[in-house]
Amino acid sequence: KAGVTQTPRYLIKTRGQQVTLSCSPISGHRSVSWYQQTPGQGLQFLFEYFSETQRNKGNFPGRFSGRQFSNSRSEMNVSTLELGDSALYLCASRGSSYEQYFGPGTRLTVT
Amino acid sequence: GNSVTQMEGPVTLSEEAFLTINCTYTATGYPSLFWYVQYPGEGLQLLLKATKADDKGSNKGFEATYRKETTSFHLEKGSVQVSDSAVYFCATASENTGNQFYFGTGTSLTVIP
Repeated sequence: KAGVTQTPRYLIKTRGQQVTLSCSPISGHRSVSWYQQTPGQGLQFLFEYFSETQRNKGNFPGRFSGRQFSNSRSEMNVSTLELGDSALYLCASRGSSYEQYFGPGTRLTVT
Repeated sequence: GNSVTQMEGPVTLSEEAFLTINCTYTATGYPSLFWYVQYPGEGLQLLLKATKADDKGSNKGFEATYRKETTSFHLEKGSVQVSDSAVYFCATASENTGNQFYFGTGTSLTVIP
């Protein structure tokens, strides 16, 4: 089975812009979670989608949003980018068992 | 909610040394426990897991035992290699929290030849 894929792998944006990141889960997996990873804050949970519905949400401002499509692919959007949004954004998918499988991440740099 | 506390790094060891990375958790109910590893420039990979008390997860020479009495899941390896240099994350998930994962802060390991 192909693993979790994320596009793009690297992104440079300017403060105030918006960005959309994409995640394709492992075939058959219906749950997709998003995480933000920074050196200072570590891994922080953003949200989880299951069958096109947001099932869990972390403690992030409303500028961070997501959605999931009927084929389980998910997108994450960040509006009005701030310098502090520079991070590695990781997506993880899960099937019927507990373990999550992570993609390689999208490295977002905000200048 | 659940939480995980793991040993602060960075940890530097010589090749063939014994490794222990401590992890303790707080959780309601009966969580599953995981160790993930992140190599430079990559996402997290599942290293091993345990789903109930006294279970031992093992993979690639790494082991961890689910200790409910001490709420711990310490990662061990008898003889580390340079290729084990990475960041290691302990995590917990349970039905009580909607299957949401809670990760520790990560422990950076560097193995020198």
